Amino acid sequence: ETGVTQTPRHLVMGMTNKKSLKCEQHLGHNAMYWYKQSAKKPLELMFVYNFKEQTENNSVPSRFSPECPNSSHLFLHLHTLQPEDSALYLCASSQHPMRGELFFGEGSRLTVL
Amino acid sequence: ELKVEQNPLFLSMQEGKNYTIYCNYSTTSDRLYWYRQDPGKSLESLFVLLSNGAVKQEGRLMASLDTKARLSTLHITAAVHDLSATYFCAVDTPDDMRFGAGTRLTVKP
Repeated sequence: ETGVTQTPRHLVMGMTNKKSLKCEQHLGHNAMYWYKQSAKKPLELMFVYNFKEQTENNSVPSRFSPECPNSSHLFLHLHTLQPEDSALYLCASSQHPMRGELFFGEGSRLTVL
Repeated sequence: ELKVEQNPLFLSMQEGKNYTIYCNYSTTSDRLYWYRQDPGKSLESLFVLLSNGAVKQEGRLMASLDTKARLSTLHITAAVHDLSATYFCAVDTPDDMRFGAGTRLTVKP
């Protein structure tokens, strides 16, 4: 496996469900990111991790809970989401946090009913 | 606060024509990136520009960076349909990284 892989690619969930998005990078990078991309807004940075430590949290609601167990894996735990949370969630990695070229996964398309 | 502005946000081109997308940013930086996103897909890196005057070319696309003007351009030469996509620029500084809103390019026959 190479690059950045995200699972699942598509997810439909109800507002009371709990689900998780997974991201894995095989590039040996130190920084990992979650971005949200919805139809009417530009890319929104949600979280940044550097060597497993969270370095950025852009005022993201607590119904989104990130987890970074090591520098290669990143999760986004989802619970009691709202329909407006429906979006494409993109994971990315880079050698250094908030610096340099980002390598993106294919994204997880989330629909909240 | 670092701000990155792209224009135009929407661009409809005819095949064979030339056009330029502009990316302006608000804070001193010599590091700028261009990405492409196909509909329903993720972003892929196109160009990395790391100094004033940097110019990179790939096929019908050419990107340049003027750090004094805080401006990058993405020039499209003789557009073809498979260039239809959304193009994003991004800038980083020692303290921040921001993306532009993206330019949705449609190339029509």
